[in-house]
Amino acid sequence: EDKVVQSPLSLVVHEGDTVTLNCSYEVTNFRSLLWYKQEKKAPTFLFMLTSSGIEKKSGRLSSILDKKELFSILNITATQTGDSAVYLCAVDSNYQLIWGAGTKLIIKP
Amino acid sequence: NAGVTQTPKFRILKIGQSMTLQCTQDMNHNYMYWYRQDPGMGLKLIYYSVGAGITDKGEVPNGYNVSRSTTEDFPLRLELAAPSQTSVYFCASSYSGTKNEQFFGPGTRLTVL
Repeated sequence: EDKVVQSPLSLVVHEGDTVTLNCSYEVTNFRSLLWYKQEKKAPTFLFMLTSSGIEKKSGRLSSILDKKELFSILNITATQTGDSAVYLCAVDSNYQLIWGAGTKLIIKP
Repeated sequence: NAGVTQTPKFRILKIGQSMTLQCTQDMNHNYMYWYRQDPGMGLKLIYYSVGAGITDKGEVPNGYNVSRSTTEDFPLRLELAAPSQTSVYFCASSYSGTKNEQFFGPGTRLTVL
């Protein structure tokens, strides 16, 4: 059975800290891995990763994929209170997205 | 562009009642999806559609039905609501399946009592 596991489930840090969120997966037919940010409402897209070792960056956020060890990490540097959200990882397997449960990130001022 | 819109935002149903969750997108996307998200869980795919007139089951289709008569609309029908269907429902769309990001609607919070 395809599965995506995220860790930690929740994380509380102070503003300015750097955080690393983890996503591991076991799927039958990997096509890509996606990261989404979910604040109160709907998930919004952050990154799509298809190749190992190529870092995607957007401002203070970056992500990398390891297809050999079957995991991805999402890094957020110099965190701000606006980064507080649930971060979801999803893997495209057989043209459907398999979603992890998410990491709830709380940034304290 | 409004993107993906969903109605209603909230709804309380009694066991055995039926309802339709509406979803409309104005981005001319071929692919549309219905997900449910239970507290502390990831999204589970209920149904999806690759174009008007074509729908297919996802991971958790039981108790739901969909139709796709136009590119823009993808309603989700709940027949004989059960407490297990209490959840937040998200509609999403994408241009080209999972090759592209999915755009999500704001969600419908449904409670079945």
